[in-house]
Amino acid sequence: AQKITQTQPGMFVQEKEAVTLDCTYDTSDPSYGLFWYKQPSSGEMIFLIYQGSYDQQNATEGRYSLNFQKARKSANLVISASQLGDSAMYFCAMREVGFGNEKLTFGTGTRLTIIP
Amino acid sequence: EPEVTQTPSHQVTQMGQEVILRCVPISNHLYFYWYRQILGQKVEFLVSFYNNEISEKSEIFDDQFSVERPDGSNFTLKIRSTKLEDSAMYFCASSELLPGNQPQHFGDGTRLSIL
Repeated sequence: AQKITQTQPGMFVQEKEAVTLDCTYDTSDPSYGLFWYKQPSSGEMIFLIYQGSYDQQNATEGRYSLNFQKARKSANLVISASQLGDSAMYFCAMREVGFGNEKLTFGTGTRLTIIP
Repeated sequence: EPEVTQTPSHQVTQMGQEVILRCVPISNHLYFYWYRQILGQKVEFLVSFYNNEISEKSEIFDDQFSVERPDGSNFTLKIRSTKLEDSAMYFCASSELLPGNQPQHFGDGTRLSIL
């Protein structure tokens, strides 16, 4: 079974609108971390935001926020007031905490296109 | 802001040749990683490295692959005898320490093309 599921292969959003990118995950480990990365067309991977499984509040970083619903095992990324520069691939990733569990497991990504 | 540096940005190699991809992690980071991304696909974990030894590796990381930290700053991935299916973007990443809330900071990647 996939550990990270991103069901939206592509999204088109009007500039200045908010956008939600979906991510669901699967783990039996009570301790884990969830990450979002942005990959522009130039190819680099840019860390955006982190949410820990024990964090009481949803993470926020500038225009990025993470809508963390633990019972539903979802960690959606919300981008407010979208800009043309937000056009990129977005990957959700998870790390299960524990000895030897150091890898990030990535979803298949969502390609976001911001329309002027 | 400190960053992970990878060289070269693009490597073209004949099938069967050895290739070494180089990375300079962020200086105070202790954990180092290699990932790969085949064109149009998701990012896949290859190997993690801590305290001068491999701490975890995936099924992809077979005997053709090796990693090394030859000095205090570089971290390398060697593919001994490249195959066509090794063509991919290879990312180096580093993190300050465990546990899981430390983000892994990625380099800009090396695009490896096997002919």
